[in-house]
Amino acid sequence: GIQVEQSPPDLILQEGANSTLRCNFSDSVNNLQWFHQNPWGQLINLFYIPSGTKQNGRLSATTVATERYSLLYISSSQTTDSGVYFCAVEETSGSRLTFGEGTQLTVNP
Amino acid sequence: DGGITQSPKYLFRKEGQNVTLSCEQNLNHDAMYWYRQDPGQGLRLIYYSQIVNDFQKGDIAEGYSVSREKKESFPLTVTSAQKNPTAFYLCASSYLAGVLTGELFFGEGSRLTVL
Repeated sequence: GIQVEQSPPDLILQEGANSTLRCNFSDSVNNLQWFHQNPWGQLINLFYIPSGTKQNGRLSATTVATERYSLLYISSSQTTDSGVYFCAVEETSGSRLTFGEGTQLTVNP
Repeated sequence: DGGITQSPKYLFRKEGQNVTLSCEQNLNHDAMYWYRQDPGQGLRLIYYSQIVNDFQKGDIAEGYSVSREKKESFPLTVTSAQKNPTAFYLCASSYLAGVLTGELFFGEGSRLTVL
């Protein structure tokens, strides 16, 4: 099956700093999604981004499908951005998403 | 409000007992999914269903069973055959565009502890 690798595994920032999270995948995909899991375990869908660039407030994401990677940018980070960020991809055979192991982000005040 | 409801949030089970986790959605989504998450790890797919009365095994289906008798409901049974059932279980749903998966939405999860 497809392999999904996220980096870095852990990231510690001071409030106000910017960061870039990376997701590499081993094969062609139909779509890619980014999620944020808060400390209580709730997963929120941030972006549905099979290709191109999208922005939502301080967050933006870019997927370069031909080169098999996606980037999530967080600008002016806040303590509420802390948690685990996952990317998930759908193989071209369709039907299901495969998740990476996540990036644990800690934003300190 | 539209969403996905999982119950119970916390569950304790003795070894050898089966337990059923509930998942209900009112988003009118076709597809529903069950994932398992262990501490510090990503999500692994247990079972998924794209249509009523049909479902497929994911990567770690052994020791689990599901049913999809209604579009809104996708309960998961953790059987006594599951050797290490203590985990965080997440239910999700999405619309489908042909065979393509739409945005995935999650419930709040159920934490199962085997004593």
